[in-house]
Amino acid sequence: DIQMTQSPSSLSASVGDRVTITCRASQSISSYLNWYQQKPGKAPKFLIYAASSLQTGVPSRFSGSGSGTDFTLTISSLQPEDFATYHCQQSYSTPYSFGQGTKLEIK
Amino acid sequence: EVQLVESGGGLVQPGGSLRLSCAASGFTFSSYWMHWVRQAPGKGLVWVSRIDSDGSSTSYADSVKGRSTISRDNAKNTLYLQMNSLRAEDTAVYYCARLSTAVTHNNYYYYMDVWGKGTTVTVSS
Repeated sequence: DIQMTQSPSSLSASVGDRVTITCRASQSISSYLNWYQQKPGKAPKFLIYAASSLQTGVPSRFSGSGSGTDFTLTISSLQPEDFATYHCQQSYSTPYSFGQGTKLEIK
Repeated sequence: EVQLVESGGGLVQPGGSLRLSCAASGFTFSSYWMHWVRQAPGKGLVWVSRIDSDGSSTSYADSVKGRSTISRDNAKNTLYLQMNSLRAEDTAVYYCARLSTAVTHNNYYYYMDVWGKGTTVTVSS
């Protein structure tokens, strides 16, 4: 099974900051990488597929990049509604494993 | 509105059973593969099981294999997860999710684009 590792596990930032979250796969997954956002007590919300393609309706301040084993999610200018936990997921092979999550908190 | 609504969670003793349901609406349920994903308190998302569109193929995480059965009734637009021999470590919020596909440069990309709100399973004596 493919293991997904996110870093950092938590991150403090301020409104307007640019933040980057990293996700690493235990083997190459090409561009088969998804990102989700989850707020406390809520279901995950799908953001990005194929490492860099934004789901319809996702603000353009979100961007994803990477291929192979190393990927990043970048939020260019944090908004109050962006403080949440972010999860990466590989869809290269089943089981479609997730990272452990990165909690983005307000500084 | 595209929607998934889980039900069936609750408090159960170790060794007990539960059947989770996921009612789909607003889309052609029979066209989609479906998944169950769980999240233990304070932990990350963990994939549990998946079923193909007509129910002929299933897959399970090692942690539930042999104790759980995923199924679906396309006439009722409902997904199920039968969980037996429950353990404390099965305590989690269980989400059902729809698997969608995007095709780019002849590559098929899969992602879970619709999620239910979850149902809570607590295994405790």
